[in-house]
Amino acid sequence: GESVGLHLPTLSVQEGDNSIINCAYSNSASDYFIWYKQESGKGPQFIIDIRSNMDKRQGQRVTVLLNKTVKHLSLQIAATQPGDSAVYFCAEIYTGAGSYQLTFGKGTKLSVIP
Amino acid sequence: EAQVTQNPRYLITVTGKKLTVTCSQNMNHEYMSWYRQDPGLGLRQIYYSMNVEVTDKGDVPEGYKVSRKEKRNFPLILESPSPNQTSLYFCASSRRTGGYGYTFGSGTRLTVV
Repeated sequence: GESVGLHLPTLSVQEGDNSIINCAYSNSASDYFIWYKQESGKGPQFIIDIRSNMDKRQGQRVTVLLNKTVKHLSLQIAATQPGDSAVYFCAEIYTGAGSYQLTFGKGTKLSVIP
Repeated sequence: EAQVTQNPRYLITVTGKKLTVTCSQNMNHEYMSWYRQDPGLGLRQIYYSMNVEVTDKGDVPEGYKVSRKEKRNFPLILESPSPNQTSLYFCASSRRTGGYGYTFGSGTRLTVV
């Protein structure tokens, strides 16, 4: 079947280099943001999250940066490895007024060149 | 192991033949949701449920039904499938308090001919 990675923006990086994947979100009132990784044939997997009252959060080899002024989110992957090749989605969550609205971005395909 | 289980993984059916895709989670999550994923369109929400007996439409609900009679199960029903419902479907669940990250199932690839 057709891969979900087709028609997506693609980022190609050399193994060992750092990767930066960007995402523009739409709702300035969103209070929570998540990055997901989706490997071929699998469901999206949680990578890292950040609350709207933060501007940076670090995990193992990953860092998420949040710029609320321009509604921009980025995922930085240090020392990119072949196993990092996947489609990466950002998601924004709005929980105002008792609701729960999660909206995904379109995704970016990361290809790691050995 | 904490997980969301979808069945079947692959399904080929004919137009108009009713089908159900099952989804079950073992994490006692309140929130469950169904998405479809199509090339170039990303993940689009079909239906979601905030808790037992509480369901609501997402962005693309036409042609689908859901039910939430028990907390752990959230089946997706296609009463009369059509070829435009050929897609990759994901069920997901989440807690409502604390962290809000979804746990996704492995997906169901549906082909309607």
